[in-house]
Amino acid sequence: GDQVEQSPSALSLHEGTGSALRCNFTTTMRAVQWFQQNSRGSLINLFYLASGTKENGRLKSTFNSKESYSTLHIRDAQLEDSGTYFCAASNTGNYKYVFGAGTRLKVIA
Amino acid sequence: GGIITQTPKFLIGQEGQKLTLKCQQNFNHDTMYWYRQDSGKGLRLIYYSITENDLQKGDLSEGYDASREKKSSFSLTVTSAQKNEMAVFLCASSRAQYEQYFGPGTRLTVL
Repeated sequence: GDQVEQSPSALSLHEGTGSALRCNFTTTMRAVQWFQQNSRGSLINLFYLASGTKENGRLKSTFNSKESYSTLHIRDAQLEDSGTYFCAASNTGNYKYVFGAGTRLKVIA
Repeated sequence: GGIITQTPKFLIGQEGQKLTLKCQQNFNHDTMYWYRQDSGKGLRLIYYSITENDLQKGDLSEGYDASREKKSSFSLTVTSAQKNEMAVFLCASSRAQYEQYFGPGTRLTVL
């Protein structure tokens, strides 16, 4: 079936630094979503992309359908950015979303 | 805006018991989803429904039934709870096949 490979599986960042999370897809996807799961387990919507790049504050996400990947960039990391980040993708004509295994981010003071 | 409500928040069952989880949304979304999340893992799709009275199996449907009673509600039944099972069940909704919004989850423990 469709697979979503998410990397890295875990990441530590010092406050004020940044990094990129990545999802690779084994098939052509039509859309991708990025979520942050907080310590209470709630899934917070970060981005929905059908193509291109979106930016929101310190976060930026890109979806390249042709090359089968999506990235989430975090800059100027803050303690409240800690949590698990998931991408989820859906292929053309399909209502189903496949989730990656997540990136566990810890921001250190 | 809207909200997704899941009941109960915590569910404790016995081995072999039939257990029902409920989800309500007021987004007026057509599509609703049930996912299972095991500790430290990603989400896996159990069932989804693209409109009232529609049901589609996900990758993890064995051992579960679902019911889309009306547009705003989607129920999931664990047909026979497995001993020592622990997981979080997450409900989501979306307009057609677009952006999904999630509820807070139901945490299941089977004794």
